Amino acid sequence: GAGVSQSPSNKVTEKGKDVELRCDPISGHTALYWYRQSLGQGLEFLIYFQGNSAPDKSGLPSDRFSAERTGGSVSTLTIQRTQQEDSAVYLCASSLGGRTQDTQYFGPGTRLTVL
Amino acid sequence: GESVGLHLPTLSVQEGDNSIINCAYSNSASDYFIWYKQESGKGPQFIIDIRSNMDKRQGQRVTVLLNKTVKHLSLQIAATQPGDSAVYFCAEKSYGGSQGNLIFGKGTKLSVKP
Repeated sequence: GAGVSQSPSNKVTEKGKDVELRCDPISGHTALYWYRQSLGQGLEFLIYFQGNSAPDKSGLPSDRFSAERTGGSVSTLTIQRTQQEDSAVYLCASSLGGRTQDTQYFGPGTRLTVL
Repeated sequence: GESVGLHLPTLSVQEGDNSIINCAYSNSASDYFIWYKQESGKGPQFIIDIRSNMDKRQGQRVTVLLNKTVKHLSLQIAATQPGDSAVYFCAEKSYGGSQGNLIFGKGTKLSVKP
């Protein structure tokens, strides 16, 4: 079946502009995660949605970052007033549930470049 | 600025040889571990996982070893192939914990020479 999809695949923006990144999880997956990957680095957790529970926002680096998940499916990560240090690949993952052993499946990511 | 990519550990092996990729974790409370493979331009792909009540688990051509005493995890790839060239990440999680996310290591780049 279809995997996790993300759009756009690449985004170039100017410093100070707002951007929206989209994630379509695997159908039926109740858990959705956003991570950020800087050049040559591991993945840094940003935010986690599980069903109808309040999201875990503990990884968001500043209040310029926010995310929504509408109807328990599609999620949008918004970065306001982008800065050059926001340049990274933003990865979305989904899992069947929020249990520890539920495998997280990743999308291809959105490469964000802030000029 | 400095390219942090230069600091990514690299392992170079000959095609057909076995590869061993190591990972040290720091959180004693972590009891679930996963290895991911990430090819250039793609998202991480699940390879194999292991719970802390095990010290070894085997998959197809891959074996994960867990040493809880020294908080060390390794991934062994048998008969390495060019298609195995990628960056490999270990990740950890606390089983049953409220924290949903994985904690990733920095990764090791595996290069397979034909």
